[in-house]
Amino acid sequence: AQSVTQPDIHITVSEGASLELRCNYSYGATPYLFWYVQSPGQGLQLLLKYFSGDTLVQGIKGFEAEFKRSQSSFNLRKPSVHWSDAAEYFCAVGTNNNDMRFGAGTRLTVKP
Amino acid sequence: GAGVSQSPRYKVAKRGQDVALRCDPISGHVSLFWYQQALGQGPEFLTYFQNEAQLDKSGLPSDRFFAERPEGSVSTLKIQRTQQEDSAVYLCASSLGSRGRQPQHFGDGTRLSIL
Repeated sequence: AQSVTQPDIHITVSEGASLELRCNYSYGATPYLFWYVQSPGQGLQLLLKYFSGDTLVQGIKGFEAEFKRSQSSFNLRKPSVHWSDAAEYFCAVGTNNNDMRFGAGTRLTVKP
Repeated sequence: GAGVSQSPRYKVAKRGQDVALRCDPISGHVSLFWYQQALGQGPEFLTYFQNEAQLDKSGLPSDRFFAERPEGSVSTLKIQRTQQEDSAVYLCASSLGSRGRQPQHFGDGTRLSIL
């Protein structure tokens, strides 16, 4: 079965600084990759997804992610973080075998 | 409605009581999922429906957990004889198609506290 690792439990960045959240997966074929964001007391909201084609995908709220097959990674990036981006971020991996797994999440704190 | 709706938002129950959590998915979404999310953790899969058929219930932690979706729309997750370790946020999600390919749309969850 596939697995997802988010190596960073907690990241703190200053407002206006750039951000990169790491996601590594383990799966034998090309996966379907997703990033979600969760604010306190709310459900998960889809930021972006990768199925095939261009390995750099754009999402909502100014986020982007790049699929790197050689590194089994799908890192999330944002050039300039806003205070409202403080939240929990989850990477997820889906497969053609009708399965989807979520990472344990990375909590983002934004310093003023 | 426009999104996935879950009720109640908060539920407090005494150990040993039965609880029922409701999920109203996005209209037209074929697939429905239940997840359990412990504090500081990612969602853990519980069960998956395609229309009214429960295709995967491998994540249900014990036979005290039961889910149904009798008409292929609204779903109920029932927990019998609740235990303190059942305290968590229960998330429901729906999607247009298969579990692996389609993005899932989440409700805001039900926070269950067992005293």
